[in-house]
Amino acid sequence: AQKITQTQPGMFVQEKEAVTLDCTYDTSDQSYGLFWYKQPSSGEMIFLIYQGSYDEQNATEGRYSLNFQKARKSANLVISASQLGDSAMYFCAMREGFYQKVTFGTGTKLQVIP
Amino acid sequence: SQTIHQWPATLVQPVGSPLSLECTVEGTSNPNLYWYRQAAGRGLQLLFYSVGIGQISSEVPQNLSASRPQDRQFILSSKKLLLSDSGFYLCAWSGRATGRREQFFGPGTRLTVL
Repeated sequence: AQKITQTQPGMFVQEKEAVTLDCTYDTSDQSYGLFWYKQPSSGEMIFLIYQGSYDEQNATEGRYSLNFQKARKSANLVISASQLGDSAMYFCAMREGFYQKVTFGTGTKLQVIP
Repeated sequence: SQTIHQWPATLVQPVGSPLSLECTVEGTSNPNLYWYRQAAGRGLQLLFYSVGIGQISSEVPQNLSASRPQDRQFILSSKKLLLSDSGFYLCAWSGRATGRREQFFGPGTRLTVL
C-alpha cells in the first residue's frame, strides 16, 4: 500500500483564491510527522509546513495551513490568497518508524491563473 | 546557519561510466543524511539514508552505492551507469533533536546518461 497518496496530479486556481491540495497517509505508528514541500521549476525543495501526530491544533505558516484529520489519516494543505509564485509542484511527506525515514507522495502540480 | 552543498549541478555521462556525486553540510553536526532520485515529472524516491559515519541503509537495490566518510559528507557512486540512472538527484539532511526535524535539501544534480 502507498504510504502517502496525493490523488490530484494537477490543479488550477485563480489568483487570490484559496486552494486545497489533498494528502492521505498510511501508518501504524502512533508517533509520526507530516510535511509539505514546494518544488518550483528550478528543482529546489522548499519546506512549507509541519504537523506532528500529537499536535492537537492544525499547523499554520503564513498563507499555508495544514488541515489535519487524524482519524481519516488526511493532511491536506490549504493555500490562501494564491499568488502567481505559488505555481509549482507540491509534495506531501511523512516521517515514521524507528529510523524516522521520510516517504514522499507523487506530488500535485499547482498552476495559478492570473 | 546551516547550508547544504551538492555538486556538480549538471552532469552528462555515457552509459557504463562511473559516477560520483558529493554532498556536504555546514553548520550542524551529526545530521541524518539522505539521497533521493526524482525522475522527470515524478516524486522523490529515497535511495539511501545515513544516521552516522559509515552507517548506510539502502532502500532500493540498484547499481548505486553511498558512503559517508565524514560526519557531514555523503557521496553517491556508481561503477557503471545505466540509462535508467538519469534523473534529478537530491541530497538532504535533518537534525536529531526532538521536534519536527524537517529535511533540508540541496540544490540537486541533474544527471543525464546517454
